[in-house]
Amino acid sequence: TQLLEQSPQFLSIQEGENLTVYCNSSSVFSSLQWYRQEPGEGPVLLVTVVTGGEVKKLKRLTFQFGDARKDSSLHITAAQPGDTGLYLCAGDGNSGYALNFGKGTSLLVTP
Amino acid sequence: KAGVTQTPRYLIKTRGQQVTLSCSPISGHRSVSWYQQTPGQGLQFLFEYFSETQRNKGNFPGRFSGRQFSNSRSEMNVSTLELGDSALYLCASSLDGFSGYTFGSGTRLTVV
Repeated sequence: TQLLEQSPQFLSIQEGENLTVYCNSSSVFSSLQWYRQEPGEGPVLLVTVVTGGEVKKLKRLTFQFGDARKDSSLHITAAQPGDTGLYLCAGDGNSGYALNFGKGTSLLVTP
Repeated sequence: KAGVTQTPRYLIKTRGQQVTLSCSPISGHRSVSWYQQTPGQGLQFLFEYFSETQRNKGNFPGRFSGRQFSNSRSEMNVSTLELGDSALYLCASSLDGFSGYTFGSGTRLTVV
């Protein structure tokens, strides 16, 4: 099983602050996905990165895929209370048709 | 378009009973996969179906089973429920099972 480790596990910040969440593995992935999950709901796909070194921006969110395709990061600029949620990274499973998820970073943004 | 629909949303069962959960994928999606989410283990892959065939299975005991119908709807069944089966069960659909997963809101199963 290809393990994905996310850090930090918990993050509590005030509105307007910047933050970075990390997703690391010793395995190479052909792609990595980031999801956000709100309480009582399923994860919602934010982005998929497929090329080593790739950077994708989604409004105030910036996603990076490591050159070696083993790690990724999510940077949020000027966090807002609406960003609160569980952020999950997921890599394609080595046996196909499955995702390996990290345990997530729980983010709380207070006004 | 309609999203992924999971029923029921909440379920309370007693140890030893069995349960069946249902998932209706997005129209046109032929791949349906199931995940178990717990606070301790996070999201863990159960199995994936495409055109009524199971293509991949996670590391769960045989008490966990599933199937897919010709209209791509899927069910999963857990027999002889244990307290540790309490979890949020999530279904995800995609066109081909490689990418573009859309998750349902899940079924919260509590075993007492």
